[in-house]
Order: sequence, then structure tokens, then C-alpha cells
Amino acid sequence: EAQVTQNPRYLITVTGKKLTVTCSQNMNHEYMSWYRQDPGLGLRQIYYSMNVEVTDKGDVPEGYKVSRKEKRNFPLILESPSPNQTSLYFCASSFLNEQYFGPGTRLTVT
Amino acid sequence: TQLLEQSPQFLSIQEGENLTVYCNSSSVFSSLQWYRQEPGEGPVLLVTVVTGGEVKKLKRLTFQFGDARKDSSLHITAAQPGDTGLYLCAGVIWGGTSYGKLTFGQGTILTVHP
Repeated sequence: EAQVTQNPRYLITVTGKKLTVTCSQNMNHEYMSWYRQDPGLGLRQIYYSMNVEVTDKGDVPEGYKVSRKEKRNFPLILESPSPNQTSLYFCASSFLNEQYFGPGTRLTVT
Repeated sequence: TQLLEQSPQFLSIQEGENLTVYCNSSSVFSSLQWYRQEPGEGPVLLVTVVTGGEVKKLKRLTFQFGDARKDSSLHITAAQPGDTGLYLCAGVIWGGTSYGKLTFGQGTILTVHP
């Protein structure tokens, strides 16, 4: 089954404690991206990757890092999380701009 | 500044009613997509419209792309409780790469009461 998986689905952490949210897709898509979704703001792109070892900033990259060492995986790294990063995060892979989203990771930073 | 303005933000209607959701911008888009998102899940693509003036139908859903490719609408006929969810429009602007920049509207939360 074609899918995008994310882990964990829920995470509660404290300010400053490094965390990684994993993302994996099995559709052999070159393009992957991370979004955060906040009430009233819709989905905003954090980072994207056009292929292995090629990443670039989206609209709200501050406080986030990504890596793309393999085509199928695109982890999101928060080196020092802060409360304003509390949000719902989605990973997506794309074919011809049509996005296939993961199920989401709800992150709470206290 | 929100590039894509979606309206209304909230819509609460009775089963059987018709409704329209609008997505407007001052920018010209190469294409425009509509997604539907249910609680606890990621958005799912419903349709992509590419040509100005294009109309696409998906059962009771009708999608239209404006002639100038700056706006789009989603019309649902005889809404059902199963239509309840968050509807998102997203515009694509082609840049110098094979992938365009995708920008989402704020979303419309639709609730259809039985």
C-alpha cells in the first residue's frame, strides 16, 4: 500500500530537549516536505527536499533542521524545541505537485 | 500575509443543503488543488485544476478554476454528514525547477448536521 508514515504520532516534551520526527514514504517520490498546521494559519511549509542530499527552506524554517540521506526518509529535527513549536506536523511526498500526506505528529512543548 | 484567502472559515449546515467554498488570491497560479482533511489524519487530495475556466466534478462536488487562474471554488450539492471535514485549497506557482511552490489557504471547517 502506497503510504507516508510518521513517528511518533504524539509527543510531549520539554523546552530544549532535542527530538526527531521520522518520515518515510514507499512511493519512490523524489520530492518530500514538512509542514506545520496551526489554527487559522493553514499548512505552512517548513523545509522541502527535491532529492537525496538536496534540501531547502520553506516558509517557516526557523528552529528546524532536516536531512535526506535516503530517498525514502526525511526526518525533521528540533535541536532545541520551544513552546512556539507546539503544533501538528505533517510530512508529505509529492509527484507532480500532488501531495501525499502522512497521518501527522502532534507535538507539545512545555 | 496570506497568499490564498479561503472563505468562509467555518460552515455549519443541515444535510441536503448546498454550499460553496471560495479560494481567492491576487496571484496567478499554475494550478490549484483542493484537499480534504478529517480529524487525526493528513489532508487527502480531491482534485487538481490547471486551465483557467476549468470545471471538474467529483460526484456531488464541483470544482472551478477562475478564468484568470487567481481564484477557485468548491461547490457541494446536497451535503451529507460524511462531507464533514476541513477543506483546504492550495495554489501552485511554477518556479525554475520541476516542482512548484505550493501555498495553502487557511482552510474551511465544514460541519453537516443530520
